[in-house]
Amino acid sequence: EAGVTQFPSHSVIEKGQTVTLRCDPISGHDNLYWYRRVMGKEIKFLLHFVKESKQDESGMPNNRFLAERTGGTYSTLKVQPAELEDSGVYFCASSQVPSNTEAFFGQGTRLTVV
Amino acid sequence: AQSVAQPEDQVNVAEGNPLTVKCTYSVSGNPYLFWYVQYPNRGLQFLLKYITGDNLVKGSYGFEAEFNKSQTSFHLKKPSALVSDSALYFCAVREGGNYQLIWGAGTKLIIKP
Repeated sequence: EAGVTQFPSHSVIEKGQTVTLRCDPISGHDNLYWYRRVMGKEIKFLLHFVKESKQDESGMPNNRFLAERTGGTYSTLKVQPAELEDSGVYFCASSQVPSNTEAFFGQGTRLTVV
Repeated sequence: AQSVAQPEDQVNVAEGNPLTVKCTYSVSGNPYLFWYVQYPNRGLQFLLKYITGDNLVKGSYGFEAEFNKSQTSFHLKKPSALVSDSALYFCAVREGGNYQLIWGAGTKLIIKP
């Protein structure tokens, strides 16, 4: 069974440009999460999808970030326009329905904004 | 507010010695506790979890963790460290019924031959 996959693994963009990150969850996992780790700090929650619906987007930093999950399958996270402080590693995870199940993570996308 | 603390940025252990990576948490309800490991250039990998029941939980690669409710701790342990255990370890908590994970800052574990 394939795990959570994220594309790209690395992205270097200039300030003001747009970047789109993609996450393919484990098949059958209704829950999909985005997290971010900035410069060696703790991992921060961004948002949570249940199927195609945003269950919780309280961690999204501002309106430059837009997440979608079309058809309840893969998800994209767009940053437009990117700022220097957006640099970090963006992790995607998926899990089954009960909240006591562990989440499975992708390898992350390292975003560098220069 | 929910929070997780990993008081040590780095832990150094000689191969073959026991290791402990510390984690304390703060939640208002019942905690679900997790340990994840990140090897270099890899994603976060689940190690073990505490949901309910026995306070000592066993996980992957010989790791175990003990849930201590009175001390609000969930320290990660292994009786005999391997060089291949060198990695970044994260403790996380989820309040029962909630899906969002709250993370510690991570502890870099270095096992020296």
